Amino acid sequence: DADVTQTPRNRITKTGKRIMLECSQTKGHDRMYWYRQDPGLGLRLIYYSFDVKDINKGEISDGYSVSRQAQAKFSLSLESAIPNQTALYFCATSDGLSRKTRETQYFGPGTRLLVL
Amino acid sequence: GEDVEQSLFLSVREGDSSVINCTYTDSSSTYLYWYKQEPGAGLQLLTYIFSNMDMKQDQRLTVLLNKKDKHLSLRIADTQTGDSAIYFCAESNPGGSQGNLIFGKGTKLSVKP
Repeated sequence: DADVTQTPRNRITKTGKRIMLECSQTKGHDRMYWYRQDPGLGLRLIYYSFDVKDINKGEISDGYSVSRQAQAKFSLSLESAIPNQTALYFCATSDGLSRKTRETQYFGPGTRLLVL
Repeated sequence: GEDVEQSLFLSVREGDSSVINCTYTDSSSTYLYWYKQEPGAGLQLLTYIFSNMDMKQDQRLTVLLNKKDKHLSLRIADTQTGDSAIYFCAESNPGGSQGNLIFGKGTKLSVKP
């Protein structure tokens, strides 16, 4: 079984709709991340969470919200989807502790979102 | 702010060596990483190098680090069609606004038979 799973894998929605993307992990990691990937722009961080009570905005948080329901679950919501939120969304986890510790992030398979 | 730059595309012939280059800005980064993204999949850690090293070799992969110039490279020897993917360079940035890692935009490697 995959360590980091994302649901749904593909989603088509309409402008103005609220949608939620879910991420679950079985790695026991405290840290979880949401990224979006756009062609030519690479990965951009949306939100990250270092533990259940800790939520931080990333580079491009506007138009998104997150919920860390448990150590293993981190969901991303688009309150009112717009076409420029069409992208590939990745969840990731890590157990990095400090600047001196090697940080390996483990990625889910991605959710492809199309907003019409 | 911190930034990681890499070229967007590289095309090589099967059997040749590929060299993917990256520059970064945070001289205090402890580790630098290469991630690989195969078509339709998420990113997977390919290799990493600790900042006090200047070279690391792992089978067909060689990572070179020039700390003075803040330049990182990934060399793939005897490149195969299965190496076709997007390769992301990343530097550690604990406590920064971008979480723990800053990724480059990715270099798409195309391997021609």
